Amino acid sequence: DTEVTQTPKHLVMGMTNKKSLKCEQHMGHRAMYWYKQKAKKPPELMFVYSYEKLSINESVPSRFSPECPNSSLLNLHLHALQPEDSALYLCASSQEGHLGNQPQHFGDGTRLSIL
Amino acid sequence: AQTVTQSQPEMSVQEAETVTLSCTYDTSESDYYLFWYKQPPSRQMILVIRQEAYKQQNATENRFSVNFQKAAKSFSLKISDSQLGDAAMYFCAYRNPDSNYQLIWGAGTKLIIKP
Repeated sequence: DTEVTQTPKHLVMGMTNKKSLKCEQHMGHRAMYWYKQKAKKPPELMFVYSYEKLSINESVPSRFSPECPNSSLLNLHLHALQPEDSALYLCASSQEGHLGNQPQHFGDGTRLSIL
Repeated sequence: AQTVTQSQPEMSVQEAETVTLSCTYDTSESDYYLFWYKQPPSRQMILVIRQEAYKQQNATENRFSVNFQKAAKSFSLKISDSQLGDAAMYFCAYRNPDSNYQLIWGAGTKLIIKP
């Protein structure tokens, strides 16, 4: 069982739609991440939240808008996406602090298809 | 800049046999962390094993062990008694202690288990 829960598991949307991806963890982790992953490729970091504040934005287009309502929740709002945005979107969380060996815990991902 | 190289795009092994996946990395740091993650078709990225660079002893988790050669900058993963459930993409990842968030990923190795 995954400790990081992502919904929905699959999402098909048109280029003009607005949708949101959701991620939830109850491990007390204070760092949360969004990744984009294309087939047979490693994940690409998009955003990092630390203590509910945006810490890293890897030059992601503005059609992706992250939100961290509280320490357990992470959203990714989608608007006017392009076909090349079709991918697996992974959420992860990890402990904060100086414990560099602490791993990131991943959810099952949302498979996003843009028509 | 740090880089991680997995030179084997695909490997296959007979069930119950042993297989070794290679990973090399490039860094000028002396202190860092290394991880192996597994991603089966179910999509969830699962931590297999981790290694702190300051530890000389190779990490072991049940059937999974690493051969960490710091001078050679090599971090291979050995899977003993391979099982059908081990079939997955395996990613090697590096983290600099100055960055609690960003992982440098290898390209991945697809492991096939032959029954």
